[in-house]
Amino acid sequence: GAVVSQHPSWVICKSGTSVKIECRSLDFQATTMFWYRQFPKQSLMLMATSNEGSKATYEQGVEKDKFLINHASLTLSTLTVTSAHPEDSSFYICSARNGETNTGELFFGEGSRLTVL
Amino acid sequence: AQSVSQHNHHVILSEAASLELGCNYSYGGTVNLFWYVQYPGQHLQLLLKYFSGDPLVKGIKGFEAEFIKSKFSFNLRKPSVQWSDTAEYFCAVTSYNNNDMRFGAGTRLTVKP
Repeated sequence: GAVVSQHPSWVICKSGTSVKIECRSLDFQATTMFWYRQFPKQSLMLMATSNEGSKATYEQGVEKDKFLINHASLTLSTLTVTSAHPEDSSFYICSARNGETNTGELFFGEGSRLTVL
Repeated sequence: AQSVSQHNHHVILSEAASLELGCNYSYGGTVNLFWYVQYPGQHLQLLLKYFSGDPLVKGIKGFEAEFIKSKFSFNLRKPSVQWSDTAEYFCAVTSYNNNDMRFGAGTRLTVKP
């Protein structure tokens, strides 16, 4: 089956630093990737949609200058949390759609837990 | 934009009990519907999906869901739950052109052995 891998799975950083999270589709080409944020005991909130080779589309209320998304290749998207603060601590999950089959199903990464001290 | 409502936040059942988790969506056009499961410490996995055709969809691990268009619902069912079904269940919807996927708030299922 289609595999999506995220790295790192968890990261602790100091307030004010930037953190980059990678999302890779391992066995398929992902023309579209999505970044979600999940707070404890809550649902996944869509942050942005990332299309390969173009700018990401951010959901209302998501600061694009704070959450930088790059989708430079068909197998890699990155989320950079710039100048992180404790309120950015959360579980970040990426997902990808197989551009070749386009069944509509999204394949999810394992998630990355960010803790900002 | 579409939205998804899950009515039950936490459901506690004994093994062998029957399960039904409610899901309603709000969207004016044609939609694709999904149920995902998240076991403790694991990533989201697809249980089943509905695109078109038979409104009764069968998924993995004995789960099924029924799409009732008139009620904008896509409830998840399982006739007999097991302890291993303890997990968080999310209903999700995408528009017909498969743009962004929206999730419900999730339902935590606890199955007592």
